[in-house]
Amino acid sequence: GENVEQHPSTLSVQEGDSAVIKCTYSDSASNYFPWYKQELGKRPQLIIDIRSNVGEKKDQRIAVTLNKTAKHFSLHITETQPEDSAVYFCAARQDNNDMRFGAGTRLTVKP
Amino acid sequence: DAGVIQSPRHEVTEMGQEVTLRCKPISGHDYLFWYRQTMMRGLELLIYFNNNVPIDDSGMPEDRFSAKMPNASFSTLKIQPSEPRDSAVYFCASSTFYEQYFGPGTRLTVT
Repeated sequence: GENVEQHPSTLSVQEGDSAVIKCTYSDSASNYFPWYKQELGKRPQLIIDIRSNVGEKKDQRIAVTLNKTAKHFSLHITETQPEDSAVYFCAARQDNNDMRFGAGTRLTVKP
Repeated sequence: DAGVIQSPRHEVTEMGQEVTLRCKPISGHDYLFWYRQTMMRGLELLIYFNNNVPIDDSGMPEDRFSAKMPNASFSTLKIQPSEPRDSAVYFCASSTFYEQYFGPGTRLTVT
């Protein structure tokens, strides 16, 4: 089955700086890669996703890149704000809709 | 749409008791997922359904866990008998083929 590894497990940045979170996956059949943000005590919320036929996708301050050859994808947050502080999860999904999540990255944005 | 609905939001029970968690997916979504989240193990996929049919239950930890989806608008996850190590937040999520949306979760405490 699919195995998703996520790094780093914790990340601390200064407000205004950029944050990058990286994930690797094992199964080349995976074709959909969403990112979720989870605030303390809340549900995971989908913030951006990318499909395997696209290399990059951007939505305001967040962007995701995908390298299918290397089997890794990354989340980039620019101009970070304190409200970006949360745990971020990457995931990889195969055609059968089996979704596997990374272990999460706790992002802290210091004002 | 109200989003994915889960009940109860909190459940405290004693070891050995039966616990039933409930989920109503978003109307029109034909996939439903049950996840368990703990600090130690992160976000784990337990089981998922497509058109009310269980597709993969390999994540169900043991025979004490069972899940059903009698119709397109309702699913249950049952633990019988419950044990302290079952304490976790249980999320239900639903999707069409891509974007997966989570419910608010049920925080289960087994004493």
